Order: sequence, then C-alpha cells, then structure tokens
Amino acid sequence: GNSVTQMEGPVTLSEEAFLTINCTYTATGYPSLFWYVQYPGEGLQLLLKATKADDKGSNKGFEATYRKETTSFHLEKGSVQVSDSAVYFCALSAYNNDMRFGAGTRLTVKP
Amino acid sequence: EADIYQTPRYLVIGTGKKITLECSQTMGHDKMYWYQQDPGMELHLIHYSYGVNSTEKGDLSSESTVSRIRTEHFPLTLESARPSHTSQYLCASRSLAGRTDTQYFGPGTRLTVL
Repeated sequence: GNSVTQMEGPVTLSEEAFLTINCTYTATGYPSLFWYVQYPGEGLQLLLKATKADDKGSNKGFEATYRKETTSFHLEKGSVQVSDSAVYFCALSAYNNDMRFGAGTRLTVKP
Repeated sequence: EADIYQTPRYLVIGTGKKITLECSQTMGHDKMYWYQQDPGMELHLIHYSYGVNSTEKGDLSSESTVSRIRTEHFPLTLESARPSHTSQYLCASRSLAGRTDTQYFGPGTRLTVL
C-alpha cells in the first residue's frame, strides 16, 4: 500500500543553520506530495506541495523537490529561525485520493 | 485560510462520561476525517466520511462513533470515556475534486479522562 517514511527526530539546530528533513514514499501511480507543519497547540497547516515529478514546492523559505527517481520529497531551509520550531509531516495523496502521513519530525531551533 | 472548527479545544472529564467532540467546516467539502494524535506526534486515522450518511472506520480501531447528517458537520462521540481515550483529536476535511487538493485541519481537541 501507499506509505511515507520520514526522518526520525527530534532534530535540534542552532538559529541560521541549514535544515534537511528526509522523506521517502511508496505509492501506486503518480502521487501528489505535501509537507504540513504543526505548531504547539494547533492543528496541521499546509506548508508546501508538489503535484508531479520535478516540481518544486516552496513557502516561507522552505523548499522540497518531487524526485520520482529516488521516490523522495526532502524538506530544506537554508537558515532556520526559532519560530520554525514545530513538528513537520510529510504526506502523499495517490490514486485513491486519501492522504497518508509520515510519523512526524519534531524540530527545535535554539537561539 | 482554513475554515474548519473544533469545539471544545480542551476537555477534562471523569471516567464513564459520554462526550461529543464537534467538528464543522464551511468549505462544502465532501470528505471529512478524524485523527487521534499520540503524544509522540504520529497521526492515526480513526474515522472518515465521503459525504452525508457515509461513515467508515479508519486504520486505528476506536471505541468512538461518528455521524454525518449534514455536509458541514462531523461529530465524534464516546459513550463512556476511559483514561485510555486521553489524547488529542484532530478533524480534517478535503474536497473530492482531485488528489492534488489540500486537506485542511481544525485546531484539535485535547481530551483528558481522569
């Protein structure tokens, strides 16, 4: 079945460090890929998405590129801020139109 | 901007009480979902609905029940709450229009059963 595997956390970085959170997927057909972010005490918010191979999603300085050859959708940011501290979820939506989520990666950014 | 609402945001109750967690969305979405979220963050799908009078159980077995009498409303009920039900419950909705559509989440209800 469809599934998403993402990098285990927690991840702790200093402010202005480079961030990578790995995400790989298994799916039938050509899924759409998403990154969601969850701030403390809140629900999940869409951060970015990509709908076909080689698409790059971007938002708030975060980027992720849909790599079909490696079945990956890694999240990156060049310089993290304390306000980026949150839990990040990778997700996919495939032919059956229901979403599958990764287990989440907690990021803590220290000043 | 997501227009999906959950009430209450926080609930502390005693064992054996009946509770209903409310979820409403104003986007006209056909699909709605309930997730249980562990303290360790992973989301577990417990119920979903593809439209009025449609309800299905999700991947994680749950003693809760749901109903979908109106498109915009998807309440979750626990007939007799137990400490094992203590968790965060997230409601979500999505259009049926296509696989690229965003799934929107409510702010969650944090339930504590004493």
